[in-house]
Amino acid sequence: QKEVEQDPGPLSVPEGAIVSLNCTYSNSAFQYFMWYRQYSRKGPELLMYTYSSGNKEDGRFTAQVDKSSKYISLFIRDSQPSDSATYLCACNAGNNRKLIWGLGTSLAVNP
Amino acid sequence: GAVVSQHPSWVICKSGTSVKIECRSLDFQATTMFWYRQFPKQSLMLMATSNEGSKATYEQGVEKDKFLINHASLTLSTLTVTSAHPEDSSFYICSASAGGGNTIYFGEGSWLTVV
Repeated sequence: QKEVEQDPGPLSVPEGAIVSLNCTYSNSAFQYFMWYRQYSRKGPELLMYTYSSGNKEDGRFTAQVDKSSKYISLFIRDSQPSDSATYLCACNAGNNRKLIWGLGTSLAVNP
Repeated sequence: GAVVSQHPSWVICKSGTSVKIECRSLDFQATTMFWYRQFPKQSLMLMATSNEGSKATYEQGVEKDKFLINHASLTLSTLTVTSAHPEDSSFYICSASAGGGNTIYFGEGSWLTVV
């Protein structure tokens, strides 16, 4: 079993839809949870960064962490075609900063 | 946010030659830098962790003599692919972490094509 599981999709939604992206993890030591967005042929871009359980909101993006169920989510409201990208979740325990990655979910937002 | 610059963005080289890729943190000091490799439609594969002033820590299966990493200053790490072969063609990405936080920022990546 991978330490971080993420459905690779692809996920296709119409413009304006609410998008829900999810990951599960198995390592109880993980304390830091991140979502990255990667456009084709580009390096990943940090979107959201969360420590421990809870919600974090930034514009149209909301990150949720539920440590009791080892489940992390990223919600995108009012999705736009420019949100079309691969979204990768990453976790780590915070002591050595080595990120453990999900496979990434490919999202297409159709106009 | 913090900026990590990677150079070159793309490079084509002949089989058997060596190629150097630079990773710079532009507005913060990076005590730790990471080098990744990514194949099309796959997730990032960590190659090595580079700590300023010490030897890099390589992941299992990554040849340290083939992928030379140097982290000579708090703002610069280099990856040299030695005696490159076509199978080394890939997208190489660096990331950097500031000493006081756990946030990790990525460079734009470098496309290497070995012909």
